[in-house]
Amino acid sequence: GQNIDQPTEMTATEGAIVQINCTYQTSGFNGLFWYQQHAGEAPTFLSYNVLDGLEEKGRFSSFLSRSKGYSYLLLKELQMKDSASYLCAVRPLLFMDSNYQLIWGAGTKLIIKP
Amino acid sequence: DTGVSQNPRHKITKRGQNVTFRCDPISEHNRLYWYRQTLGQGPEFLTYFQNEAQLEKSRLLSDRFSAERPKGSFSTLEIQRTEQGDSAMYLCASSSSGQPTDTQYFGPGTRLTVL
Repeated sequence: GQNIDQPTEMTATEGAIVQINCTYQTSGFNGLFWYQQHAGEAPTFLSYNVLDGLEEKGRFSSFLSRSKGYSYLLLKELQMKDSASYLCAVRPLLFMDSNYQLIWGAGTKLIIKP
Repeated sequence: DTGVSQNPRHKITKRGQNVTFRCDPISEHNRLYWYRQTLGQGPEFLTYFQNEAQLEKSRLLSDRFSAERPKGSFSTLEIQRTEQGDSAMYLCASSSSGQPTDTQYFGPGTRLTVL
């Protein structure tokens, strides 16, 4: 089967750094996405990785290791507004014009404390 | 680029009634997706369109659910004979096959409550 694992909840302090891990087991791989979702709102796109390594975008960075089936999202200089759920999603395969739906993790709820 | 829009934002209905939701994707996006999400879970795939063709439908989706995208632009999702278990957030997303990442962008969702 296809599976994505993320911690259910994490707590961090304002101004600090937090790393949210995601491990996946899918049939093939063609990209990994991170989304942020505030309570009661829709997911918003944060980052995309398809090759191994680190992608940096402001305070947020995302890392991928395809051989280990592993990714993490790194959030620096945490702000109270970063309190949200962070969803990891994997595209298992993209073949011609067919699209296999993203496989989603359940999300990691991040709580930021002052 | 006005983003993905969904209507209504909230819907309360009685068990057994039919409901219909609308999604307007980003104008240049040819792919459209419907998801369902419950509290503490990731989005659950329902169905996918490329232009007007419905290319995938979740095996978990009962026959009470149907979706259309008649002109390859907006889409509707209908749920017939609603059940309390249908209460959830219904999310629509769109993407462009012309973009290398084919990133999905979500609308604000329609929250359905079945009494």
